[in-house]
Amino acid sequence: QQQVKQSPQSLIVQKGGISIINCAYENTAFDYFPWYQQFPGKGPALLIAIRPDVSEKKEGRFTISFNKSAKQFSLHIMDSQPGDSATYFCAASTGGTYKYIFGTGTRLKVLA
Amino acid sequence: DAGVIQSPRHEVTEMGQEVTLRCKPISGHNSLFWYRQTMMRGLELLIYFNNNVPIDDSGMPEDRFSAKMPNASFSTLKIQPSEPRDSAVYFCASSPTGHNYGYTFGSGTRLTVV
Repeated sequence: QQQVKQSPQSLIVQKGGISIINCAYENTAFDYFPWYQQFPGKGPALLIAIRPDVSEKKEGRFTISFNKSAKQFSLHIMDSQPGDSATYFCAASTGGTYKYIFGTGTRLKVLA
Repeated sequence: DAGVIQSPRHEVTEMGQEVTLRCKPISGHNSLFWYRQTMMRGLELLIYFNNNVPIDDSGMPEDRFSAKMPNASFSTLKIQPSEPRDSAVYFCASSPTGHNYGYTFGSGTRLTVV
């Protein structure tokens, strides 16, 4: 019940296309859902985060869509660029706790 | 701000040796985390400190692992003795008190035990 299932494991998208990464969870107590971006040789960096009281959050080309009833959330990268090529991790945590449950990661490659 | 600073960036050591990884969190961040990343297990939380006090070390694999935070600006993760299965990238992260600000990760230490 503590797992966060992430898919796909890898994704190849043409430049200018839309990249979509999905995550699903079971624990309805989760109330904070961040996405992290990791480039090779670097630590994960917070990209965007959402709480379950909203269904969508947009920051530039990055959008989180959240479906509370389905217990799913997804990251959409619009107009994908080669510079977006990285590994993306979704995560979830429960209010008042410090533990993030990370997904297994999606390796995104955007072709020029 | 220089971010979370970890050293060394790379460490190669022989099995049985002691390894010490170091971390300087962002000034003013009261929470510090040590994570381990491997292909097989992904990102695993090893230990969490709040205000220099270890709060949860349930992720520490075994007694060979120990972590300290003697002050607000420094933490160490020690492995003694090291084993090949400890080979991984170890990340330190910090955040302001109140976790929902997101973690800031360091660049990690890639440990190879041969």
